[in-house]
Amino acid sequence: AQKITQTQPGMFVQEKEAVTLDCTYDTSDPSYGLFWYKQPSSGEMIFLIYQGSYDQQNATEGRYSLNFQKARKSANLVISASQLGDSAMYFCAMRGLGNTPLVFGKGTRLSVIA
Amino acid sequence: DTGVSQNPRHKITKRGQNVTFRCDPISEHNRLYWYRQTLGQGPEFLTYFQNEAQLEKSRLLSDRFSAERPKGSFSTLEIQRTEQGDSAMYLCASSLNRGNNTIYFGEGSWLTVV
Repeated sequence: AQKITQTQPGMFVQEKEAVTLDCTYDTSDPSYGLFWYKQPSSGEMIFLIYQGSYDQQNATEGRYSLNFQKARKSANLVISASQLGDSAMYFCAMRGLGNTPLVFGKGTRLSVIA
Repeated sequence: DTGVSQNPRHKITKRGQNVTFRCDPISEHNRLYWYRQTLGQGPEFLTYFQNEAQLEKSRLLSDRFSAERPKGSFSTLEIQRTEQGDSAMYLCASSLNRGNNTIYFGEGSWLTVV
């Protein structure tokens, strides 16, 4: 079974600054995938970034990067140059071996301050 | 719009009534997932299909919940004899079962049981 832990219920960041959202995971599967999603107040879950457990390099997508530390079982999301539109809930999720359905953490609410 | 489509977006029903939600996945996606999300929590997996086969249904919350995907395209989630505790957002998602198997979500269907 997979488990995701997000320990930051809420975070504040100044506009144009960088912010790191924490995520730790637990699994016994040798192969797995880690995902981050953004959920604005409208409710839609928006895919941001993916990291495979065997990927050699940390994933990047525009202003999003994933700080993957396999030995520590952490997959933190880094958002650079924060924008007011980044204010939302952010969920870390993982799937296990065999493309099992995603398991989500409880999320972190990010508020960007002008 | 070629994303995941859900309807109705909002449903208010009286306790004891049956409700049905429909999901149309991204057209080439063979996997379809249903999740439930309550306030302040991450999405909770309910069930999923690969084509028309329901691969996992043990996570459905009770025997009042059922899902179908009869032709391997759209899916329906039915809740019979609704209870106030069923009030939540029901999220549908789809994926192509290859590569990193990124799961794309719809905008969700909000259910309020009064």
